Amino acid sequence: GENVEQHPSTLSVQEGDSAVIKCTYSDSASNYFPWYKQELGKRPQLIIDIRSNVGEKKDQRIAVTLNKTAKHFSLHITETQPEDSAVYFCAASTAGGGADGLTFGKGTHLIIQP
Amino acid sequence: SAVISQKPSRDICQRGTSLTIQCQVDSQVTMMFWYRQQPGQSLTLIATANQGSEATYESGFVIDKFPISRPNLTFSTLTVSNMSPEDSSIYLCSSMPGGNEQFFGPGTRLTVL
Repeated sequence: GENVEQHPSTLSVQEGDSAVIKCTYSDSASNYFPWYKQELGKRPQLIIDIRSNVGEKKDQRIAVTLNKTAKHFSLHITETQPEDSAVYFCAASTAGGGADGLTFGKGTHLIIQP
Repeated sequence: SAVISQKPSRDICQRGTSLTIQCQVDSQVTMMFWYRQQPGQSLTLIATANQGSEATYESGFVIDKFPISRPNLTFSTLTVSNMSPEDSSIYLCSSMPGGNEQFFGPGTRLTVL
């Protein structure tokens, strides 16, 4: 089955700087890659996703890039703010549009230092 | 976006008992999913529930331990049977009410004593 590796496990950045979280996946059939943000005690919230026919997607301060050849995708957050502090999870699915269960990475605890 | 709700939000149970968790979506959906999130950990898929067919379980999860019902297109239940302290987790349901992105319910925090 699919295996998703996520790095780093903890990331501390100064407010205003950029943060990058990286994930790799093992199943070449995976074609949908969402990112979730989870604040303490809350449910995971979808923040951005990308499908295998696209190399990059951007939404304001958040962007995701996908390298299908390397089986690698990354989350980029620019101009970080205190409210960006949370745990971020990458995930992968073999059914386009997430019409399949998701395999999650272990998560990255992002800490924004004021 | 659609609303996904779960009941109960939390519970404390004795070992050996069972708990049924309910998940309600405010629109009709084909698939519903159940995940487990152990304390401080990531999410692990337990099973996929399609209306009108038996749930499909992931490796390491069995129907006798986690029976699932899917009686209609807006509702599903997950039962955690014969509980032990190792079952203490947050259980989350999810679905795709818009047809593309997967959204999560608020979770059920289960503590087994």
